Amino acid sequence: QVQLQESGPGLVRPSETLSLTCTVSGGSITSYYWTWIRQSPGKGLEWIGYMYYGGGSNYNPSLKSRAAISVDTSKNQFSLRLSSVTSADTAVYFCARGVLSIFYFDSWGQGTLVPVSS
Amino acid sequence: QTVVTQEPSFSVSPGGTVTLTCGLSSGSLSTSYFPSWYQQTPGQPPRTLIYNTDTRSSGVPDRFSGSILGDKAALTITGAQTDDESDYYCVLYMGSGNWLFGGGTKLTVL
Repeated sequence: QVQLQESGPGLVRPSETLSLTCTVSGGSITSYYWTWIRQSPGKGLEWIGYMYYGGGSNYNPSLKSRAAISVDTSKNQFSLRLSSVTSADTAVYFCARGVLSIFYFDSWGQGTLVPVSS
Repeated sequence: QTVVTQEPSFSVSPGGTVTLTCGLSSGSLSTSYFPSWYQQTPGQPPRTLIYNTDTRSSGVPDRFSGSILGDKAALTITGAQTDDESDYYCVLYMGSGNWLFGGGTKLTVL
């Protein structure tokens, strides 16, 4: 059973870059869409983007090119960088595994709250 | 800009049946959007319930079922239990590597 676990700083200052890592255990990091999803306090879920282990990626247009996802197959990890953050980026960030061809998320991390505050 | 629509809230009595829907602000929804459904309780990550329109995820009770009803995706809970009180989200694959979440439905069982 694959497990995903997010890690990263507990607080990010406005205008700085948010960096999170998701460690994948119990399964290979190949052959899936490695995805980040977030949830602002009291709000719904928002898809941020994904990277496919072979190098393809895509992002939510609403993030205006601030997001970047990378995969490190040697460590079985994938990461999110979100630049120029504001208070609107305060959210619980989830990493998830997306399944090819039927396009759904079959495994989720527990989520990590990242406040953006000075 | 396309929006995925869901009922903001719904209420069902214990033992009752409820159908939550997921639609598009423009156009009809079909299986080619690969609708999936997720259940979330406060403080927890989403749990995958249904994928590829109507396939139950492993361990999901058979009182949960997915379908296309008219031009919407639907999640039906037959014989609702108090444990089913949660937020429910649908997700659509919009093509070209894009996913879109609905706003979620808060289901009350009472």
